[in-house]
Amino acid sequence: NAGVMQNPRHLVRRRGQEARLRCSPMKGHSHVYWYRQLPEEGLKFMVYLQKENIIDESGMPKERFSAEFPKEGPSILRIQQVVRGDSAAYFCASSRQGTGANVLTFGAGSRLTVL
Amino acid sequence: GENVEQHPSTLSVQEGDSAVIKCTYSDSASNYFPWYKQELGKGPQLIIDIRSNVGEKKDQRIAVTLNKTAKHFSLHITETQPEDSAVYFCAAGGGYQKVTFGIGTKLQVIP
Repeated sequence: NAGVMQNPRHLVRRRGQEARLRCSPMKGHSHVYWYRQLPEEGLKFMVYLQKENIIDESGMPKERFSAEFPKEGPSILRIQQVVRGDSAAYFCASSRQGTGANVLTFGAGSRLTVL
Repeated sequence: GENVEQHPSTLSVQEGDSAVIKCTYSDSASNYFPWYKQELGKGPQLIIDIRSNVGEKKDQRIAVTLNKTAKHFSLHITETQPEDSAVYFCAAGGGYQKVTFGIGTKLQVIP
């Protein structure tokens, strides 16, 4: 009964490279959320997806960031042309239903370091 | 959108004492208030949640209270233990809103 699985746990990229973070939701969960946590800061919402649909991307930067949740396979958060300010922990959460009143289960996070 | 404020940002208590963390929210439509605990290097884990149809909920040493009129909710930890040391996040959500988190409280329990 695996929980939310994120990989890689740690990722190092040089400025200008691309970062891809993957998230497999809990079994039976079809709603995925991505949050970003900067050092000594809280969790900032980025995007909410269902299979093949982006429901709410109000927290995503307009450029360089994209997310998808295909019919098959994990959800992917993609950051193009990374900059040092992208260094953060990126957490994925999943829920069984998609409203804001449902329990979110978080993964262990992917920690991105941009050199 | 929803705005959640959390106080204090850091809290140190002696082992065995109580710890209280307070949060306020702005959107009266919010009806779900979870609390998460995050240990170093790990993802947040839900420890307790409360919905707007109740004013208080307790689970062993942890209790949450909710005042919908004042838009306040609080986490109370009694008989604190060193393993309670972590960062605690409050959050608010409901309906079709995303869950919005507070900035976190770093709790240190001193043995």
